[in-house]
Amino acid sequence: SAVISQKPSRDICQRGTSLTIQCQVDSQVTMMFWYRQQPGQSLTLIATANQGSEATYESGFVIDKFPISRPNLTFSTLTVSNMSPEDSSIYLCSVGSGMRVTEAFFGQGTRLTVV
Amino acid sequence: QKEVEQDPGPLSVPEGAIVSLNCTYSNSAFQYFMWYRQYSRKGPELLMYTYSSGNKEDGRFTAQVDKSSKYISLFIRDSQPSDSATYLCAMSVGGSYIPTFGRGTSLIVHP
Repeated sequence: SAVISQKPSRDICQRGTSLTIQCQVDSQVTMMFWYRQQPGQSLTLIATANQGSEATYESGFVIDKFPISRPNLTFSTLTVSNMSPEDSSIYLCSVGSGMRVTEAFFGQGTRLTVV
Repeated sequence: QKEVEQDPGPLSVPEGAIVSLNCTYSNSAFQYFMWYRQYSRKGPELLMYTYSSGNKEDGRFTAQVDKSSKYISLFIRDSQPSDSATYLCAMSVGGSYIPTFGRGTSLIVHP
């Protein structure tokens, strides 16, 4: 199993600002993902973080709003840009087990509140 | 209709009860079925993982898949207060395909 450290664990931000969330894994992983978890809603995939190339975004999510970096096989960042109260949510980093994403591991999440 | 439907609860049971958590789905191509447990202020952790139909048992937990009815269940025997958490079902068409998650069911086991 992979151990994932995600920070910050929570933050309260002013609207219009940006927050960068970091995800550090204790081993090299191929598959790394960013999810959003809104209250009462299912986990929604934002994007797949690709090492050495641009992230692959899901429908409804764009790079300008959620830029992602993945400089190596153990680290990724997600930035939430130009925040509004609608961005208040839990953001989760996730990695697969080898090439298997059905056996996924998650970080503890970043609880973001935008005021 | 959502691909995966899961009642958010909360489901409140006394300690020692048998708990049944369920999900229905619409995509008949789903082959992999997972249950995750998420404690408050933590990330989800994989609890059970089943391929295709049938049952799988792990200690007090049993996962059941009925593909003909497009219905999966997680049973918890002898439930404990430490089982209080949100349980998310997830399913995928293949091992390397991103799973689709349910909304999660909040379970409260009271002493």
